[in-house]
Amino acid sequence: GQQLNQSPQSMFIQEGEDVSMNCTSSSIFNTWLWYKQDPGEGPVLLIALYKAGELTSNGRLTAQFGITRKDSFLNISASIPSDVGIYFCAGQISTGNQFYFGTGTSLTVIP
Amino acid sequence: DVKVTQSSRYLVKRTGEKVFLECVQDMDHENMFWYRQDPGLGLRLIYFSYDVKMKEKGDIPEGYSVSREKKERFSLILESASTNQTSMYLCASSLRGRASNIQYFGAGTRLSVL
Repeated sequence: GQQLNQSPQSMFIQEGEDVSMNCTSSSIFNTWLWYKQDPGEGPVLLIALYKAGELTSNGRLTAQFGITRKDSFLNISASIPSDVGIYFCAGQISTGNQFYFGTGTSLTVIP
Repeated sequence: DVKVTQSSRYLVKRTGEKVFLECVQDMDHENMFWYRQDPGLGLRLIYFSYDVKMKEKGDIPEGYSVSREKKERFSLILESASTNQTSMYLCASSLRGRASNIQYFGAGTRLSVL
């Protein structure tokens, strides 16, 4: 299967700080998704991206579909304790095909 | 709201046992998926199904089988559980076509094989 490299693997930040994470692949994708998994729960979709260069926001979260179509970025502004969890990227080569998931970024927010 | 329900949150089984993990969705979704989640490896697709009685292998099908007799239910079967199948198992469902981008996940089943 496809390998998606997600970095960083983990982050420990102070409440109020901004967060950046990214995901890169060896293949060109036509869709990028970002999910968040709260402790003890399944992943929940945060943002979906469908076009190269697309920048989409969801509250304090902003994600971008990289121009090369091989990467995507997620930013969280002014982090709060409930941002704690694991963030996953997922990419799809073409519509109807399976999604490949990144290895996850574990975020800890220190109050 | 879409609901994907996995029958057990925690399971402990012995090596060699046959294990059934059940998943039910209530939104009439055509597609259903089984993933396993391991630290540092993310989510890896085991099997998926686009319709009743239809199944396709994902990236890591070895040691697993699935059953989809009804649209709302997708079962993952470990014929003879082994310790390397200790993991978190996640079920997901989605609509067909473009809307299949959005997969809705269950809360997961944490399986320990002793």
